[in-house]
Amino acid sequence: DTEVTQTPKHLVMGMTNKKSLKCEQHMGHRAMYWYKQKAKKPPELMFVYSYEKLSINESVPSRFSPECPNSSLLNLHLHALQPEDSALYLCASTGTELSSPLHFGNGTRLTVT
Amino acid sequence: QQQVKQSPQSLIVQKGGISIINCAYENTAFDYFPWYQQFPGKGPALLIAIRPDVSEKKEGRFTISFNKSAKQFSLHIMDSQPGDSATYFCAASIAGNTPLVFGKGTRLSVIA
Repeated sequence: DTEVTQTPKHLVMGMTNKKSLKCEQHMGHRAMYWYKQKAKKPPELMFVYSYEKLSINESVPSRFSPECPNSSLLNLHLHALQPEDSALYLCASTGTELSSPLHFGNGTRLTVT
Repeated sequence: QQQVKQSPQSLIVQKGGISIINCAYENTAFDYFPWYQQFPGKGPALLIAIRPDVSEKKEGRFTISFNKSAKQFSLHIMDSQPGDSATYFCAASIAGNTPLVFGKGTRLSVIA
């Protein structure tokens, strides 16, 4: 088990649904990330929060909306997704020290029907 | 400038053999080079990492070799085991400054 917990593990949603992915870490990390990973591909950065403020948005479509309610929690709100958005969504966190490793959760497997 | 090129794309190794995965980078400002291991259905997990002030780092059966002048680094897995079968990603970043840039991954299969 990892120290970054993601829920749910699996999610199936229709294109008109609204759903949220949740991520929690209790390592005191102040940077949290959302990645998208398609099959047989590396993780692709979507968003970075640093000290609870959005610091990087990699030109992600507005149908993905991140939220960082506090230093331990990270949400990804989903609305009007497309089938091509089906992927493994990974949350990660890292400390503030130089070369602090990136800790990933086990992801949410999202299927958009 | 931001790319990290990883090879091979897939690798089959006999049990007990040595697995070698290579990565090359362009951005000379990169100063942190981790390797991640990912099993199916799991998130990537940090395996081993190196800074450019050393040429080699060893942790158990896993060794990173780093060649700063060639801008290359590699992962060696000694005495490869079937349990090592996974996808391996190299990555690079400017420590504390930029997010990781990942290679495209190598799918390793260790066969008995």
